[in-house]
Amino acid sequence: AQKVTQAQTEISVVEKEDVTLDCVYETRDTTYYLFWYKQPPSGELVFLIRRNSFDEQNEISGRYSWNFQKSTSSFNFTITASQVVDSAVYFCALSENNNAGNMLTFGGGTRLMVKP
Amino acid sequence: GAGVSQSPSNKVTEKGKDVELRCDPISGHTALYWYRQSLGQGLEFLIYFQGNSAPDKSGLPSDRFSAERTGGSVSTLTIQRTQQEDSAVYLCASSSVLTSGSNEQFFGPGTRLTVL
Repeated sequence: AQKVTQAQTEISVVEKEDVTLDCVYETRDTTYYLFWYKQPPSGELVFLIRRNSFDEQNEISGRYSWNFQKSTSSFNFTITASQVVDSAVYFCALSENNNAGNMLTFGGGTRLMVKP
Repeated sequence: GAGVSQSPSNKVTEKGKDVELRCDPISGHTALYWYRQSLGQGLEFLIYFQGNSAPDKSGLPSDRFSAERTGGSVSTLTIQRTQQEDSAVYLCASSSVLTSGSNEQFFGPGTRLTVL
């Protein structure tokens, strides 16, 4: 069975600090997909990134970067030079390939508060 | 273009009443998902549709919950004889052609259901 764990329930940083959100997953599939979503105070889940299990290259998009390590079953998310607008709840999610519906299994989320 | 829309945005009902929640997916998206977000349970999968059929109903918490999708578009989630534990935000998501776990899901703003 698949499982996603986000051990950090809440993180508070001061603007311009770097912050890393941890995500650890469990799956028996060899092919799977990992996602990060952002949920700002407005409530709508916003897609940030998708990664398949065969691609361990790290990715950078502006101030965001992701570190995927199969050896430790982790898919961590780093925000560089955080801004107040980054304040939100961030969810890591997993979708297994043998799961016909491709439904997402979510972690519990990490609430990030960026103070000015 | 238009995103996923849901109605109503808020619903307050009395215990024992039936409620219907509506989801309008992104035009052309064949896959549609319902999730529930509650304080105690986090984000949990309920049901998904591929076209008008629902191959996997395993996430529905009880037989009081049902869903349908017509014309490969709009979906309705119905909760009969609502209970206080049904109080949650119900999120709908859609994605394009269903390939093996590869496509991101786009979420609507959710319906906040409160059962008194």
